[in-house]
Amino acid sequence: GAGVSQSPRYKVTKRGQDVALRCDPISGHVSLYWYRQALGQGPEFLTYFNYEAQQDKSGLPNDRFSAERPEGSISTLTIQRTEQRDSAMYRCASSWRLNTEAFFGQGTRLTVV
Amino acid sequence: LAKTTQPISMDSYEGQEVNITCSHNNIATNDYITWYQQFPSQGPRFIIQGYKTKVTNEVASLFIPADRKSSTLSLPRVSLSDTAVYYCLVGETEAAGNKLTFGGGTRVLVKP
Repeated sequence: GAGVSQSPRYKVTKRGQDVALRCDPISGHVSLYWYRQALGQGPEFLTYFNYEAQQDKSGLPNDRFSAERPEGSISTLTIQRTEQRDSAMYRCASSWRLNTEAFFGQGTRLTVV
Repeated sequence: LAKTTQPISMDSYEGQEVNITCSHNNIATNDYITWYQQFPSQGPRFIIQGYKTKVTNEVASLFIPADRKSSTLSLPRVSLSDTAVYYCLVGETEAAGNKLTFGGGTRVLVKP
């Protein structure tokens, strides 16, 4: 595609439900990143992949959060048993390789009620 | 991980030059310095990247002194549309991976 695509754009879920956020990176991009951003704050690193390998997941807040990129393209960030504190903008980015320009998607606004 | 420090906010006026300095005292030999811009309700957008000396593109210039412990993003003749948050990032070495770690950024407000 022309850019990084994230879906859904908005997600409202009840506390305790599981959610899956999807990221479709720019075709051919090796690196894929997930971030969470609270209002007025900078993006908070969650995890990143090179191809299908999850290189670093140190930013995932707890074991309710997981991510995968099974074929080295589309990635899914899953949050199990959602809590109100999980409400935030979740952003995905991709880049050709390490330390090159990263392109961000429009994000998924998650609201847990 | 090289930590960055930059001013929380800056005000400027249309037509002026804006210079934002970022400190990164612990920068590693293989680290690059990258700046991103973020408008409200949008994802960050790459502006410029450099390793040493000076880099210039159609949007901005990046000045990096010889010791590389700081860098300055220069935005020439800003307009109202340059109002945004600007983030300074220092990339980890390839061996350690690249988290693209964002700090708090500098909120630049351009006034008429």
